[in-house]
Amino acid sequence: DIQMTQSPSSLSASVRDRVTITCRASQNINNRLSWYQQRPGKAPKRLIYYASNLESGVPSRFSGSGSGTYFTLTINGLQPEDFATYYCQQTFNSPQTFGQGTKVEIK
Amino acid sequence: EVQLVESGGRLVQPGGSLRLSCAASGFTFNIYSMNWVRQAPGRGLEWVSYITSDTRTIYYADSVKGRFTISRDNARNLVYLHMDSLRAEDTAVYYCTRSVEYSFDSWGQGTLVTVSS
Repeated sequence: DIQMTQSPSSLSASVRDRVTITCRASQNINNRLSWYQQRPGKAPKRLIYYASNLESGVPSRFSGSGSGTYFTLTINGLQPEDFATYYCQQTFNSPQTFGQGTKVEIK
Repeated sequence: EVQLVESGGRLVQPGGSLRLSCAASGFTFNIYSMNWVRQAPGRGLEWVSYITSDTRTIYYADSVKGRFTISRDNARNLVYLHMDSLRAEDTAVYYCTRSVEYSFDSWGQGTLVTVSS
């Protein structure tokens, strides 16, 4: 199975900060990497697919980059509604594993 | 608008069985692959199972293989997860998701399964 390792597991940040979350795969996943946002009590929501493609309707302050085994999610100018937990996921092969999540909290 | 609505979650005893349903609407259901994903209380996301549009390819997580069965009814726009031999560690919110562009673009609101005596 492909292991997905996110870091950090949590972070504290302020509104308007720039935040970067990393996700490392245990093998090459051919850019089949997605990012999801989950607010408390809600279903996850897709932000990024194919490593860097922004989901329709998602603000442009979110961006994804990376290739091979190393990927990042960046939020440029954190907004109050961005405080949530973020997950990466590989869909290169089965099982389609998720990272353990990164909780973004208010400083 | 794409909608996925899960149902069937409830309290069940260890060793029991349960069938979850996911009703899809707002898109051409019979051309999309579908998945089940679960989230135990306070924990992260765990992919559970996958089924292609034509049901020819099905995958399961090792944690549920041999106990859970995914299926679909393309005439009724439904996907199911039949769960047998339930364990306490199967307690979770179960989400139905649609696969698009090697990613899960739509999620239901989830249904809670609690396995406890």
